[in-house]
Amino acid sequence: AQSVTQLDSQVPVFEEAPVELRCNYSSSVSVYLFWYVQYPNQGLQLLLKYLSGSTLVESINGFEAEFNKSQTSFHLRKPSVHISDTAEYFCAVGDQAGTALIFGKGTTLSVSS
Amino acid sequence: DAGVIQSPRHEVTEMGQEVTLRCKPISGHDYLFWYRQTMMRGLELLIYFNNNVPIDDSGMPEDRFSAKMPNASFSTLKIQPSEPRDSAVYFCASSVGPELHFGDGTRLSIL
Repeated sequence: AQSVTQLDSQVPVFEEAPVELRCNYSSSVSVYLFWYVQYPNQGLQLLLKYLSGSTLVESINGFEAEFNKSQTSFHLRKPSVHISDTAEYFCAVGDQAGTALIFGKGTTLSVSS
Repeated sequence: DAGVIQSPRHEVTEMGQEVTLRCKPISGHDYLFWYRQTMMRGLELLIYFNNNVPIDDSGMPEDRFSAKMPNASFSTLKIQPSEPRDSAVYFCASSVGPELHFGDGTRLSIL
């Protein structure tokens, strides 16, 4: 069975500081990995995904994540955060197209000035 | 493009009442998922469909919960009778590949 562990439930940072949100997964087969972001009173939006190929994936708003197979990790990073990045971030794992994703419990990123 | 549409956005009702949540997936998507989000348990998969057929309903908590997908453009999640512990945000998502597309959710409060 697959599982996802997000190691930090809350991460407070100051604006323009770097941030890393940690995610580890467990799976016996090849995986797809995702980061979703949820703003208050909204659904989850895809931030970035790893399906195959380059292990470093990037989003359009400056986030990046690296798939590390040996450490079974998919940590999310941003070199300089903005107030608008304040949200809940979810890591998810899937094993083939169309099957349900398994989500971590989420990490609340709070950016203050 | 229209995304996944859920209705109602908010529902407040008394325990014992029947609750019906509705979802319209993105056109052309052949998978549909129902998730429940609570503070204590996070995002839980309840059930998912492929081409309108239920594939895995092992996450449905009890017989009080039922889900249907009568056609490719509509699904319902029904709770009868409802209980206060069913209070949560219920999300519908659809997909045609590995990536799920979520609706904005239904915030359900059972008094």
